Amino acid sequence: AQKVTQAQTEISVVEKEDVTLDCVYETRDTTYYLFWYKQPPSGELVFLIRRNSFDEQNEISGRYSWNFQKSTSSFNFTITASQVVDSAVYFCALGSNYQLIWGAGTKLIIKP
Amino acid sequence: SQTIHQWPATLVQPVGSPLSLECTVEGTSNPNLYWYRQAAGRGLQLLFYSVGIGQISSEVPQNLSASRPQDRQFILSSKKLLLSDSGFYLCAWGVTGTRSGELFFGEGSRLTVL
Repeated sequence: AQKVTQAQTEISVVEKEDVTLDCVYETRDTTYYLFWYKQPPSGELVFLIRRNSFDEQNEISGRYSWNFQKSTSSFNFTITASQVVDSAVYFCALGSNYQLIWGAGTKLIIKP
Repeated sequence: SQTIHQWPATLVQPVGSPLSLECTVEGTSNPNLYWYRQAAGRGLQLLFYSVGIGQISSEVPQNLSASRPQDRQFILSSKKLLLSDSGFYLCAWGVTGTRSGELFFGEGSRLTVL
């Protein structure tokens, strides 16, 4: 069975703290993709990143970084020096076997 | 560049009334199109997807239906709304040929059924 687990329902931190959002996935496919999306209060889902299963290199984009580890089936997302504008619901998703499987989302609250 | 728009952004409808949400994509051809629903504070539920004109697949049996009358137009409808149809509806498009790639979402339509 294919599954995406975001165990953290809600995280609250103070601005400028670093925060990591966890994502654990299950799939038997050898070729798959992993995604992160951001849903700000306005509601629109914004695509952040895609990684394929053959590329375990970590990626950094400004204050955002992603740690992909096949050994633990995890694709964690870290925000460094968080800002109030980072407050949103973040979804992790798995693209595999002609499906896109979504995690339940993690609500991130950044307090000023 | 590709854009996706859906409307209306917000609507309040009485139980038993019809529904029509519309979504259009520009800047790409033959996209895969999707309708998702998000209940308050919850995750995404795939309702329908389409790989081409007139080709609709339903993921969840319900009183909603979808149609794709044109390549880049996707419509979500209901003949009679239920209270449980309330939620946030999102249209999305993806590259043709794969259903496991990234999706790009519209602004969303918030439906309240009273």
